[in-house]
Amino acid sequence: DSGVTQTPKHLITATGQRVTLRCSPRSGDLSVYWYQQSLDQGLQFLIQYYNGEERAKGNILERFSAQQFPDLHSELNLSSLELGDSALYFCASSVEQGANEKLFFGSGTQLSVL
Amino acid sequence: DQQVKQNSPSLSVQEGRISILNCDYTNSMFDYFLWYKKYPAEGPTFLISISSIKDKNEDGRFTVFLNKSAKHLSLHIVPSQPGDSAVYFCAASSLRRSYIPTFGRGTSLIVHP
Repeated sequence: DSGVTQTPKHLITATGQRVTLRCSPRSGDLSVYWYQQSLDQGLQFLIQYYNGEERAKGNILERFSAQQFPDLHSELNLSSLELGDSALYFCASSVEQGANEKLFFGSGTQLSVL
Repeated sequence: DQQVKQNSPSLSVQEGRISILNCDYTNSMFDYFLWYKKYPAEGPTFLISISSIKDKNEDGRFTVFLNKSAKHLSLHIVPSQPGDSAVYFCAASSLRRSYIPTFGRGTSLIVHP
């Protein structure tokens, strides 16, 4: 158990809909990362938050947004969903940010857009 | 643009033998490299890392080798065990990108008893 909790584990929805994925980081971790794993793709970095503030953006679509709340949990909002958004979405957390920082991953949310 | 490449989607090895997983990168700015292991229905877990100032790092049965001139790293598992069967992700990071890991597509390792 990594200590990172992601809910829900599975989500099935239709094109055009909006969903929210939730992540609770490990106790004490200030940094939260969101990654997307599509079929045949590696883990694609989407966005990072540190102590409530956005720190870095990766290949995140404009239809997607995220935030980190004062209690440090984070939510990833996906809107106007398309079939291609079907993927496994991982949240990870770390204490700080640096070369030696290990990321601790949750078990992911499997999103299926039908 | 795949900056971290794992060209072998899968690898099959006999228990007790050596497993060698390879990874290539294209961005010379990367200065820290990591391997993560992922079991089905779980998130990736950190396995081992290496800084660009080193060419080898060992942790028990796991050794990572880095060849900077070739922009290549490899993970050696000796001896391989059935419990090592998992997907292995290579990742690279740099100060310029705030040490946020860029991952490869993964290699699925199957260790046969």
